[in-house]
Amino acid sequence: NAGVTQTPKFRVLKTGQSMTLLCAQDMNHEYMYWYRQDPGMGLRLIHYSVGEGTTAKGEVPDGYNVSRLKKQNFLLGLESAAPSQTSVYFCASSSPGRGLSGYTFGSGTRLTVV
Amino acid sequence: QQQVKQSPQSLIVQKGGIPIINCAYENTAFDYFPWYQQFPGKGPALLIAIRPDVSEKKEGRFTISFNKSAKQFSLHIMDSQPGDSATYFCAASMLNTGNQFYFGTGTSLTVIP
Repeated sequence: NAGVTQTPKFRVLKTGQSMTLLCAQDMNHEYMYWYRQDPGMGLRLIHYSVGEGTTAKGEVPDGYNVSRLKKQNFLLGLESAAPSQTSVYFCASSSPGRGLSGYTFGSGTRLTVV
Repeated sequence: QQQVKQSPQSLIVQKGGIPIINCAYENTAFDYFPWYQQFPGKGPALLIAIRPDVSEKKEGRFTISFNKSAKQFSLHIMDSQPGDSATYFCAASMLNTGNQFYFGTGTSLTVIP
């Protein structure tokens, strides 16, 4: 049981380049989330999805887009990367009605934009 | 605006000590308060969680104390060990709104042998 898998684990981008981060979960969870983690700022929600084909904005959505075409996958896209998007990105998943089990997080993607 | 405020930012204790990490929130609609533990290079992992209808919850050496009237909750680690050295995050959520979690800024704990 792999849980939540994020790819890639590391990436360096030049300013203006685009990329897609992939999150896959094998727990049949309805909800999926993308967070960014920055020093001194904790984890901030970028976008989330409560089901296949649905997405919603979180606290810091600007500069990112997401898609949830399949229940098990949640993609995070950066259309034109900026140095301010240098961060560690975490994907998570959970299920409604099972809130007491919290989120399951992936191991993160460290992105550097130069 | 930080929905959940966490302190201290860092904490150093001797082995066997009892580190305490505090969090405060404003939104009274929050109904689930988890704590996450994160080791370097890893994603956060659920440590312990509490609902606002109880004032304390213990799981092994970890205890959450919850003060609903003060809108505060804290994590106590009994008999701390060097292996507890990690970053700890508190969080709050409203379970009926897509399980969106609002995280504190984290506390880096170091337990000295």
